[in-house]
Amino acid sequence: DGGITQSPKYLFRKEGQNVTLSCEQNLNHDAMYWYRQDPGQGLRLIYYSQIVNDFQKGDIAEGYSVSREKKESFPLTVTSAQKNPTAFYLCASSIDLAGYQPQHFGDGTRLSIL
Amino acid sequence: KQEVTQIPAALSVPEGENLVLNCSFTDSAIYNLQWFRQDPGKGLTSLLLIQSSQREQTSGRLNASLDKSSGRSTLYIAASQPGDSATYLCAGTQGGSEKLVFGKGTKLTVNP
Repeated sequence: DGGITQSPKYLFRKEGQNVTLSCEQNLNHDAMYWYRQDPGQGLRLIYYSQIVNDFQKGDIAEGYSVSREKKESFPLTVTSAQKNPTAFYLCASSIDLAGYQPQHFGDGTRLSIL
Repeated sequence: KQEVTQIPAALSVPEGENLVLNCSFTDSAIYNLQWFRQDPGKGLTSLLLIQSSQREQTSGRLNASLDKSSGRSTLYIAASQPGDSATYLCAGTQGGSEKLVFGKGTKLTVNP
C-alpha cells in the first residue's frame, strides 16, 4: 500500500534544541514538500525538493533545514533559530513539480515546546 | 502574488442538503486548482484537481468547477452526509511557479 509516512506523530522540543521530523514515501514520486499549518491558517510552504540532492526554500524557510539524500526520504530539521516552532507539520509528495498530478499528504507531526 | 480566499470559514447544514463551497483567487494566471479534505488532526486528502484548460471535474457526489476569468472555483457536494464533515481547502498554483497557495479552509458540519 503506497503512501507517505511521517514520524513521530507528536514531538516535544526543549529550548535551544534541534529536532528532526521524518518523512518517507513509497510512491516513487520525484517531488516532495514540507508545509507548516497553524490554527485557522492555510498551509505555508517551508521547503520543497524536485530531485535527490536538490531542494529549494519556500515562503517560510528561516529556522528550518532539509536534506534529500534518497528519493524516498525528505527529513525536516527544526533548529533552535526557529523561535515559534509550535505547529502541525505536513509532508507531501507529487510525481513531479509540473502540477498535472495532485499532491499526496502524510498524517502530520504535531510539534510543541516543553 | 497569488492569494486564495475561502468564504465562509464555517458552514453547518442538515444531512441530505446539496451545498457549495467557494474559493476565490487573485491571479487569473492560475495553473491548476486543487480541492482537499482535512479531518481533525490528520493530513490532507486530495479530492479533485482542475487544470487550467479544464472547466470542471467530477468524482462521485463531488463536482468542482473553475472560472479563471472571475477568479473563482466552487466545490459542489450533492446529498451531503455526516461523513462529509471535515475542513475543505482549496489551493492553486500560479503559472510559472510550482508552489501551491492554500486558502484557510471551510469547516463543514453535516448534522444527522
